[in-house]
Amino acid sequence: AQKITQTQPGMFVQEKEAVTLDCTYDTSDPSYGLFWYKQPSSGEMIFLIYQGSYDQQNATEGRYSLNFQKARKSANLVISASQLGDSAMYFCAMREGGITGNQFYFGTGTSLTVIP
Amino acid sequence: DGGITQSPKYLFRKEGQNVTLSCEQNLNHDAMYWYRQDPGQGLRLIYYSQIVNDFQKGDIAEGYSVSREKKESFPLTVTSAQKNPTAFYLCASSRVGTGSFTGELFFGEGSRLTVL
Repeated sequence: AQKITQTQPGMFVQEKEAVTLDCTYDTSDPSYGLFWYKQPSSGEMIFLIYQGSYDQQNATEGRYSLNFQKARKSANLVISASQLGDSAMYFCAMREGGITGNQFYFGTGTSLTVIP
Repeated sequence: DGGITQSPKYLFRKEGQNVTLSCEQNLNHDAMYWYRQDPGQGLRLIYYSQIVNDFQKGDIAEGYSVSREKKESFPLTVTSAQKNPTAFYLCASSRVGTGSFTGELFFGEGSRLTVL
């Protein structure tokens, strides 16, 4: 089974609007971390936001927020007030806990295009 | 500044040749990783290492080899046994630990290998 599932290959959003990128995960480990990365066309991977499995509140970083629904195993990224520079690939990732919790699992990504 | 340096950025190889991609980090991270990225397939783990002189195979290790003689360095060799080596290769590092902490991956800028 896939550890991380991103079901939206491509998304479009109007500039200044909000957009939600979906991510579901699969783990039986009670301790894990969820991450979102942005990959512009240059190829570099930019860390955006993190959510720990024990965190009570949804993570926020500037215009990025993570809608964490633990029971549904969902960790959607919300980008508010989209900008043209937000056009990129977005990857959801998970790191499981435990003594060997150093392997990261990535989804297949969502390509976001911001329309002027 | 701390970070991860990958070289070369672009590399061309003839079929049957081995090539080595360099990855150096000055973040004092114990764990280092190599990922391969093909269009539409997200990131796939080739090898990772949690400590010097030790490394583990990832999901697609066949045709690749690594070494970890120094904490700062984790070179990847793409051998002639790799049938389809044309791809974008990303090196990353992270702290080693357990539990749900913000141990995100830090990435290099990537190396694009093309087999002629």
